[in-house]
Amino acid sequence: DIQMTQSPSSVSASVGDRVTITCRASQGVSSWLAWYQQKPGKAPKLLIYAASSLQSGVPSRFSGIGSGTDFTLTISSLQPEDFATYYCQQANSFPRTFGQGTKVEIK
Amino acid sequence: EVQLLESGGGLVQPGGSLRLSCAASGFTFRAYAMSWVRQAPGKGLEWVLGINEGGGTTYYADSVKGRFTISRDNSKNTVYLQMNSLRAEDTAVYYCAKAHGIATRHFDYWGQGTLVTVSP
Repeated sequence: DIQMTQSPSSVSASVGDRVTITCRASQGVSSWLAWYQQKPGKAPKLLIYAASSLQSGVPSRFSGIGSGTDFTLTISSLQPEDFATYYCQQANSFPRTFGQGTKVEIK
Repeated sequence: EVQLLESGGGLVQPGGSLRLSCAASGFTFRAYAMSWVRQAPGKGLEWVLGINEGGGTTYYADSVKGRFTISRDNSKNTVYLQMNSLRAEDTAVYYCAKAHGIATRHFDYWGQGTLVTVSP
């Protein structure tokens, strides 16, 4: 199975900050990498698919980049509604696997 | 509007069985693969099963292989998760998820989830 490792596990940031989350795959996943946002008690929401494509309706302050084994999600200017947990997910092979999550907290 | 509505969760004893359903609407159900993803309390996301558009191909995580079965009825726009030989570690919120319309290996819509609790 492909292991997905996110860093950091948590980050404290202020509104307006730039936040970067990284995701590393234990083997290459091409561009089959998605990012999801999850708020407490809610289902995950797709932000980025195919490593860098912005899902319809998602604000442009979210961006993704990477291919192979190393990927990055950036929030260019953190907004109050962005405080949540973020997960990466590889879809290059089965089983699909997720990173352990990165919690973005209010500083 | 795409909607996915899970049902069937509840409390079950270890070794017991449960069947979850996910009723879909707002899209051409038969054209999309579907998956089940679970989340244990306070933990991260775990993909557990997937099924292709026609239902003829299924995929399983090792953690549920031989115990869980995914199926679908395209005439009813519903995907099912049959869970047998349940264990305490299967306790989780179970989400159904729809394959993305473009990048079909990702999930663009999720249900609200249904809680399965395995306990004596």
